[in-house]
Amino acid sequence: GAVVSQHPSWVICKSGTSVKIECRSLDFQATTMFWYRQFPKQSLMLMATSNEGSKATYEQGVEKDKFLINHASLTLSTLTVTSAHPEDSSFYICSARGSARSKYGYTFGSGTRLTVV
Amino acid sequence: AQKVTQAQTEISVVEKEDVTLDCVYETRDTTYYLFWYKQPPSGELVFLIRRNSFDEQNEISGRYSWNFQKSTSSFNFTITASQVVDSAVYFCALSENAGGTSYGKLTFGQGTILTVHP
Repeated sequence: GAVVSQHPSWVICKSGTSVKIECRSLDFQATTMFWYRQFPKQSLMLMATSNEGSKATYEQGVEKDKFLINHASLTLSTLTVTSAHPEDSSFYICSARGSARSKYGYTFGSGTRLTVV
Repeated sequence: AQKVTQAQTEISVVEKEDVTLDCVYETRDTTYYLFWYKQPPSGELVFLIRRNSFDEQNEISGRYSWNFQKSTSSFNFTITASQVVDSAVYFCALSENAGGTSYGKLTFGQGTILTVHP
């Protein structure tokens, strides 16, 4: 079945540095990728939607300049957290949208746990 | 705007008990999809089921069963004879049809933490 490989699984970085998270679709083309953030004991909140070759669409309240999303190819989408601060510490997860014929609808990455110290 | 409500924040049961997780949704669309996911401590989301708005048939898969009722906008999930391995966070989610052949944004409920004690 469809697989989305997300790396790194976890990362610890210093405050003020940038972190890049990658999501690769291994055996299919991901035209659209969704990026979510999940704080401890909370639900998944959609941050942005990225379409290959286009600028990402951000949800209200999400800072575009802080969370840079690039979807330059059909198999790779990246999220860069710029100038990270402790409040950005969270679980980030990507999700590729499938076609309407897809039984699963979406294929999720395994998530990245970001800790900013 | 679409919305998913899981009123039960936490449920605690003893092994072998049956447990039902409630899910109520709101949408203006006539075509939409409903999902249930399991999230173990590792964080990875495990797909459990997808149901489209035109298919109200209930479904059973092993110890899992789902009851979809459009009249009450509910899509409840029952685990029969629960086991310790069922302990996890369970999310109900709603996706509107994005038109044509694709799914729209996925909106998650707040999640229900299920703890099954031995």
